[in-house]
Amino acid sequence: DIQMTQSPPSLSASVGDSVTITCRANLSVSNYLNWYQQKPGKAPKLLIYAASTLQSGVPSRFTGSGSGTDFTLSISTLQPEDFATYYCQQTFLTPRTFGQGTKLEVK
Amino acid sequence: EVQLLESGGGLVQPGGSLRLSCAASGFTFSSYAMSWVRQAPGKGLWWVSAISGSGTGAYYADSVKGRFTISRDNSKNTLYLQMNSLRVEDTAIYYCAKDPNWSWTRLPNWFDSWGQGTQVTVSS
Repeated sequence: DIQMTQSPPSLSASVGDSVTITCRANLSVSNYLNWYQQKPGKAPKLLIYAASTLQSGVPSRFTGSGSGTDFTLSISTLQPEDFATYYCQQTFLTPRTFGQGTKLEVK
Repeated sequence: EVQLLESGGGLVQPGGSLRLSCAASGFTFSSYAMSWVRQAPGKGLWWVSAISGSGTGAYYADSVKGRFTISRDNSKNTLYLQMNSLRVEDTAIYYCAKDPNWSWTRLPNWFDSWGQGTQVTVSS
């Protein structure tokens, strides 16, 4: 199985800040990398697919980049609703594996 | 609007069985692969199983292979997960999730819609 490692595991920030979350695969997944946001008690929500394509309806302050083994999710000008847990997922090979998550908390 | 509604979760003893259902609406169900993804208490997301739009292709995570069976009834717009020989470590919220493609193996792919989840607890 492809191992996905996110860093940091948790992150504290304030409204208006910009943050970056990193996701690393232990072998190349090309650009088959997605990002999801999950709020407590809710289902995950797709933010970005194919490494950099913004899902319809997702604010443009979310940006994804990377290819191969290293990927980033950037959020500019944090809004109150952005505090949540973020997961990366590779879909290059089955099983489609997720990172362990990055919890973005209010400072 | 895509809607996915899971049901069938509950409390079961180790070694027992449950069948989960996911009722789909708002899209042409038979045109899309579907998956089950679970989340253990306080843990991350973990893909369990997937099935192609026609139901002819089924895929499983190693730890559930031989115990779980995914299926679908396209006439009823419903996805199923039959879970047998349940273990304590199968305790989780189980989500159904929709692919953007008919074929599970077509790339790129992602989960573009999720249900609200159903709780499965395996305990004596």
